Amino acid sequence: DAKTTQPTSMDCAEGRAANLPCNHSTISGNEYVYWYRQIHSQGPQYIIHGLKNNETNEMASLIITEDRKSSTLILPHATLRDTAVYYCIVSWGGTSYGKLTFGQGTILTVHP
Amino acid sequence: GAVVSQHPSRVICKSGTSVKIECRSLDFQATTMFWYRQFPKQSLMLMATSNEGSKATYEQGVEKDKFLINHASLTLSTLTVTSAHPEDSSFYICSATEYGTGGGYTFGSGTRLTVV
Repeated sequence: DAKTTQPTSMDCAEGRAANLPCNHSTISGNEYVYWYRQIHSQGPQYIIHGLKNNETNEMASLIITEDRKSSTLILPHATLRDTAVYYCIVSWGGTSYGKLTFGQGTILTVHP
Repeated sequence: GAVVSQHPSRVICKSGTSVKIECRSLDFQATTMFWYRQFPKQSLMLMATSNEGSKATYEQGVEKDKFLINHASLTLSTLTVTSAHPEDSSFYICSATEYGTGGGYTFGSGTRLTVV
């Protein structure tokens, strides 16, 4: 599986958009980009995933560059409850799945 | 949405005893389940992949005889930590995926194991 690089930590003001970057320059053609988050002492929570096109759901938007070597997760209106560790993971998906290998992630702190 | 139930949430056991952790997919059939371990202030480390009806595939460095995984049905996988020692104290998390849905992976809420 391709390796990802994320900033160690980021801060965001409550109500503002949080933009979390991820580099995955070695991603292969059949690998998806997944985003999960983990709030302290809980299991990871699925946020969003995509292959090529930008994706949006009720939680977030995922912007994938045209060359697919990087992506950005956008939380449009961050709240205090969005404080968590955010993991960007690349794995093959579609109708069958590869394993998810977690890196260190980005610690996002949303402050009042 | 898909729900994965993991029990127990917390367990304390004596050194040398065995502990079983259950992971159930409540509203879908999980063809594949994954088991992770997470030490304090560290990321999740994949321990093994289990497919229903077949032997689990363990990651390098994970002792298969110590961490017994059984995936006997499409909704249940168990992880048994045998002869537990204090260094096995950790947060154990399972995840499950349903083949062909394109919906990603669902994680359980985790089990905090403390070996005393």
